[in-house]
Amino acid sequence: NAGVTQTPKFQVLKTGQSMTLQCAQDMNHEYMSWYRQDPGMGLRLIHYSVGAGITDQGEVPNGYNVSRSTTEDFPLRLLSAAPSQTSVYFCASSYSTGGGQETQYFGPGTRLLVL
Amino acid sequence: QKEVEQDPGPLSVPEGAIVSLNCTYSNSAFQYFMWYRQYSRKGPELLMYTYSSGNKEDGRFTAQVDKSSKYISLFIRDSQPSDSATYLCAAPGWDGGSQGNLIFGKGTKLSVKP
Repeated sequence: NAGVTQTPKFQVLKTGQSMTLQCAQDMNHEYMSWYRQDPGMGLRLIHYSVGAGITDQGEVPNGYNVSRSTTEDFPLRLLSAAPSQTSVYFCASSYSTGGGQETQYFGPGTRLLVL
Repeated sequence: QKEVEQDPGPLSVPEGAIVSLNCTYSNSAFQYFMWYRQYSRKGPELLMYTYSSGNKEDGRFTAQVDKSSKYISLFIRDSQPSDSATYLCAAPGWDGGSQGNLIFGKGTKLSVKP
């Protein structure tokens, strides 16, 4: 299994440009999430999905869109990039093992710089 | 106030020391907690899972929850340079299970010096 994969690893954008961060998992996990990690702020949830066709907002959803057409893929779209979106983005997938337990598996991250 | 608070450190200790990492939480409905470890330029990985009562031990690592004070701790015995990483505590965003929605502390950066 490749686990959770993210592309690209690094991206530079100009203010106002749009782009899609790709995330895929091959573990057949039902849940997928996007987080951003900033110095001094920790990991903050952007959007998450509990299954194909179902998404919901996290703590910091503004400026981002998601969709989940398949179990495997969960792309994150930046509509009009702003310098405040400079961050490291992590995708994660997880499944429920019962009793409330759930383990999130994280991808390697995408480093985004918006100029 | 964020629901999970963590001192970001950094924390520097000599090899072999006992390390104590701590978080506080505000939502008494949280029933379980997680500790993640994140090496530099890598994604977080689950280290330990603990319910809101009692301790859990796994090798050199012990996770502890004090419900009365809403305090979560991770102890590392005989710390090694390979333990140098950022440690993040987390709680589920939903009472019944996170379903992909985790609330993280800011993470504590630990450095273990040889």
